[in-house]
Amino acid sequence: EAGVAQSPRYKIIEKRQSVAFWCNPISGHATLYWYQQILGQGPKLLIQFQNNGVVDDSQLPKDRFSAERLKGVDSTLKIQPAKLEDSAVYLCASTTGEDGDTEAFFGQGTRLTVV
Amino acid sequence: SQQGEEDPQALSIQEGENATMNCSYKTSINNLQWYRQNSGRGLVHLILIRSNEREKHSGRLRVTLDTSKKSSSLLITASRAADTASYFCATDRYGNKLVFGAGTILRVKS
Repeated sequence: EAGVAQSPRYKIIEKRQSVAFWCNPISGHATLYWYQQILGQGPKLLIQFQNNGVVDDSQLPKDRFSAERLKGVDSTLKIQPAKLEDSAVYLCASTTGEDGDTEAFFGQGTRLTVV
Repeated sequence: SQQGEEDPQALSIQEGENATMNCSYKTSINNLQWYRQNSGRGLVHLILIRSNEREKHSGRLRVTLDTSKKSSSLLITASRAADTASYFCATDRYGNKLVFGAGTILRVKS
């Protein structure tokens, strides 16, 4: 089966610009996650969707970050305006959504550099 | 905030030796998972252990879970150079909320 697809792979922008990342999860996976991974750290959960509803966005900086999952399939994560500290790898992952006992499948990530 | 904390932060061993990494967490969990990340790549799922299990094996991997101490360990036996990577534990709280620790960097020297 096809894996989790993310694009773009790399993005360089200037601070105060906007940027958007796209994720296509594994077909049929109800749960979708966006993580931010700063160099040398573990992935930090930004937002979790169950179908097209938000389950948890407690660590999403809502003044500049937004995410949506229209129709419960693809998802986009947007940053506007970007700050230098947003430089990180943005990872998308999906699971079947069945309660517990499920592994997450990750995309390759988008490496964002803000200059 | 991070849920799990891995220990050690970095580990360097010779090929053929065993590698042990530990993970501690703070709240009740549904299950605990271990993932591997090669440099510049996405995370790959290694093994999942449920909260009512104490030990699980998968190939050269052995995972233990002690819910009374809120800790887990990952043992990689007979390590290979290809095992060089970062290893993360992730706790699955109820509702499929996956929270990762800071990771252990493993280097296996050939």
